[in-house]
Amino acid sequence: EAQVTQNPRYLITVTGKKLTVTCSQNMNHEYMSWYRQDPGLGLRQIYYSMNVEVTDKGDVPEGYKVSRKEKRNFPLILESPSPNQTSLYFCATAQGNEQFFGPGTRLTVL
Amino acid sequence: AQKVTQAQTEISVVEKEDVTLDCVYETRDTTYYLFWYKQPPSGELVFLIRRNSFDEQNEISGRYSWNFQKSTSSFNFTITASQVVDSAVYFCALRVVYSSYKLIFGSGTRLLVRP
Repeated sequence: EAQVTQNPRYLITVTGKKLTVTCSQNMNHEYMSWYRQDPGLGLRQIYYSMNVEVTDKGDVPEGYKVSRKEKRNFPLILESPSPNQTSLYFCATAQGNEQFFGPGTRLTVL
Repeated sequence: AQKVTQAQTEISVVEKEDVTLDCVYETRDTTYYLFWYKQPPSGELVFLIRRNSFDEQNEISGRYSWNFQKSTSSFNFTITASQVVDSAVYFCALRVVYSSYKLIFGSGTRLLVRP
């Protein structure tokens, strides 16, 4: 079954404590991306990757890092989280006409 | 620049009413895709439909129907005989083919269907 998994699904943390949200896909897709969802703003792209070792900024990259060392994984790294990064995060992959989203990670930064 | 506008922030209807969710998009590109997603209270994104810019045929899937009009840059979504299970946030999104796979989302419309 085609799947995008994210971990953790829920996380409450404190300002400044580094965290990583993992994303993995089993579809062998080259493209992966991260979005954040905020009330009244819809989803906005944070970073994307067109292939292994190729990453690029989306519309709201500040405060985030990503890496793409293997095709299946695309972790999102918050090196010093702040309360304005409290959000619902989605990992996605795509190929052809299809887009696949992970289940979402709800992050709260206190 | 591309943009998607969902002007209706919240809609409340009584069960069995018909409801239309509006979506207006902006793009100068001629090749693009439009999407609708449903986000139930559990939070995941559920894909509903994808339509490419060259196919203006309306689509019906059970109680759901979509009206795509390039002349008004709109891709509206109608739920006929709404049910409580239709309560969710609905997102319209645009993908311009020549800018990778990035989706540009509207701000969403929260639909509440009351029994």
